[in-house]
Amino acid sequence: GAGVSQSPSNKVTEKGKDVELRCDPISGHTALYWYRQSLGQGLEFLIYFQGNSAPDKSGLPSDRFSAERTGGSVSTLTIQRTQQEDSAVYLCASSLSVNQPQHFGDGTRLSIL
Amino acid sequence: TQLLEQSPQFLSIQEGENLTVYCNSSSVFSSLQWYRQEPGEGPVLLVTVVTGGEVKKLKRLTFQFGDARKDSSLHITAAQPGDTGLYLCAGATSGNTPLVFGKGTRLSVIA
Repeated sequence: GAGVSQSPSNKVTEKGKDVELRCDPISGHTALYWYRQSLGQGLEFLIYFQGNSAPDKSGLPSDRFSAERTGGSVSTLTIQRTQQEDSAVYLCASSLSVNQPQHFGDGTRLSIL
Repeated sequence: TQLLEQSPQFLSIQEGENLTVYCNSSSVFSSLQWYRQEPGEGPVLLVTVVTGGEVKKLKRLTFQFGDARKDSSLHITAAQPGDTGLYLCAGATSGNTPLVFGKGTRLSVIA
């Protein structure tokens, strides 16, 4: 079956532009997570969605970051007015429920010039 | 705040050597998972351990969950270059909260 799909796989943009990253979770998974991973580092939690509950936004580093999950499926992570320090790999994961094993996409590598 | 400490942070060994990496916490977890991440890919689940003292084997990898369910270890026998990657542990609580991830051990196996 299909795994978690992220697009684009790579994104290069100029400082100050807005970017949208997309995540298609595994069908039937109620929980969806976004992480950021800087080069050679571990996972930095950003936000997660569980069913119809309000998302946990506690990991978002600034108000330039936002995410939504439409219809309990596809999610988009939006970064407004990008800065060079936003350059990283953004990983999405989904799971059957919130404390179950997570299935990851291969990430979007974001480069801010 | 629940934290998972992984050690060592970095490990570089020769092919054929054995190694152990550790995942420690002061918190109790209902289960603990190990993931491996290779360059350019997302982490992939290797194993889930649930019972205190549990030992699971996956070919040359042996995973152990501590008796008190606060720590875990991963032992690799006769490491191969294909074992190279970032090893992450993640703990689950019994509540409605997401997994807590450690910062990982970056393993490099040199041929």
